[in-house]
Amino acid sequence: AQSVAQPEDQVNVAEGNPLTVKCTYSVSGNPYLFWYVQYPNRGLQFLLKYITGDNLVKGSYGFEAEFNKSQTSFHLKKPSALVSDSALYFCAVSRSGGYNKLIFGAGTRLAVHP
Amino acid sequence: EPEVTQTPSHQVTQMGQEVILRCVPISNHLYFYWYRQILGQKVEFLVSFYNNEISEKSEIFDDQFSVERPDGSNFTLKIRSTKLEDSAMYFCASSEYLAGYDEQFFGPGTRLTVL
Repeated sequence: AQSVAQPEDQVNVAEGNPLTVKCTYSVSGNPYLFWYVQYPNRGLQFLLKYITGDNLVKGSYGFEAEFNKSQTSFHLKKPSALVSDSALYFCAVSRSGGYNKLIFGAGTRLAVHP
Repeated sequence: EPEVTQTPSHQVTQMGQEVILRCVPISNHLYFYWYRQILGQKVEFLVSFYNNEISEKSEIFDDQFSVERPDGSNFTLKIRSTKLEDSAMYFCASSEYLAGYDEQFFGPGTRLTVL
């Protein structure tokens, strides 16, 4: 069965410092991996995805993520955090073969302090 | 920028009542989804819909749930007889393509409270 783990409920980082939000996954077949962000009272906003090819993918707002097949991980990163990055971040996976449902992790709350 | 919209933003109902949650997907999208998030829990897939048919559904999506695209723009989720445990945030999403690799665009959600 597919699953996604986000081991940290909350990540705290100082503004200007690099940030990492961790995600590991379990899926049979080739994974498609996604990161979404949720701001208060808003829906989930797509940040980036990995389908195939280069393991480092770049997305919106300066975020990037690195796919690591051997570690089954897809960690979200940003070189320099902004206070406005504070939000709830969700990792999600789907799989090849015509399946289109997303399986989400529990979410990680990112708090960027001035 | 096109976006998915949902109405109402908050719905309060009595247990046993029927509710209909409404969504307007992005206009050129062909695939539609419903997810829900019980407070403090994960976002869970309910159902996907394409070409006026359910293409995939989860074990949560039992006979009490139904979906419909009644016209060219709306996509609805109906719960026939609500239970307390149906209280959750319900998200509608749409995507242009299938195959799992296309990003889904989510609406702001409808918070359903069953009393």
